Amino acid sequence: GEDVEQSLFLSVREGDSSVINCTYTDSSSTYLYWYKQEPGAGLQLLTYIFSNMDMKQDQRLTVLLNKKDKHLSLRIADTQTGDSAIYFCAESMNSNYQLIWGAGTKLIIKP
Amino acid sequence: DARVTQTPRHKVTEMGQEVTMRCQPILGHNTVFWYRQTMMQGLELLAYFRNRAPLDDSGMPKDRFSAEMPDATLATLKIQPSEPRDSAVYFCASGSSSSHEQYFGPGTRLTVT
Repeated sequence: GEDVEQSLFLSVREGDSSVINCTYTDSSSTYLYWYKQEPGAGLQLLTYIFSNMDMKQDQRLTVLLNKKDKHLSLRIADTQTGDSAIYFCAESMNSNYQLIWGAGTKLIIKP
Repeated sequence: DARVTQTPRHKVTEMGQEVTMRCQPILGHNTVFWYRQTMMQGLELLAYFRNRAPLDDSGMPKDRFSAEMPDATLATLKIQPSEPRDSAVYFCASGSSSSHEQYFGPGTRLTVT
């Protein structure tokens, strides 16, 4: 069945790069997403990548997609304290607007 | 700016009471999702509506939960009777069938004692 897996925690020093990883199982996924959830708030779409792309960059964010290995990563350059949050990976298929969600990775920033 | 709104933001109730949570999707959006988030289970999809019709509510306990869209500007999630295990944060999200993005509301934190 469909499944999205992520590590539960990642700890990085302020100013370093953070790399959050995700694996998925459905090779027919059309879109893959990264959502951010700050404490006490709802999820916010950070970025997404279409399955025929292998990289997308948006300011400090870089998304890499390896379709062969079904691996998605989110790199945050120059990690700041404001980046502390839970990051969710999700996948969807073109004909279905429902998302399959990972469990979320909590990003912890050390001073 | 356009946002999904949810009321109430917090609700504390006693076991056995009815709970109604409301969601106003972003104007023009025709898909609505209800999610439940807990530490143990993470984010679970409860129900999904498109053009006000329920397309998937398989994630919802049918004996006590019900979800409706009385009109395009209001989605409701009811629990009757509520139980302590229903304690969670309930999120509503809306989107457009012409787009793949979901926009989340701030959530309703429900505590059932």
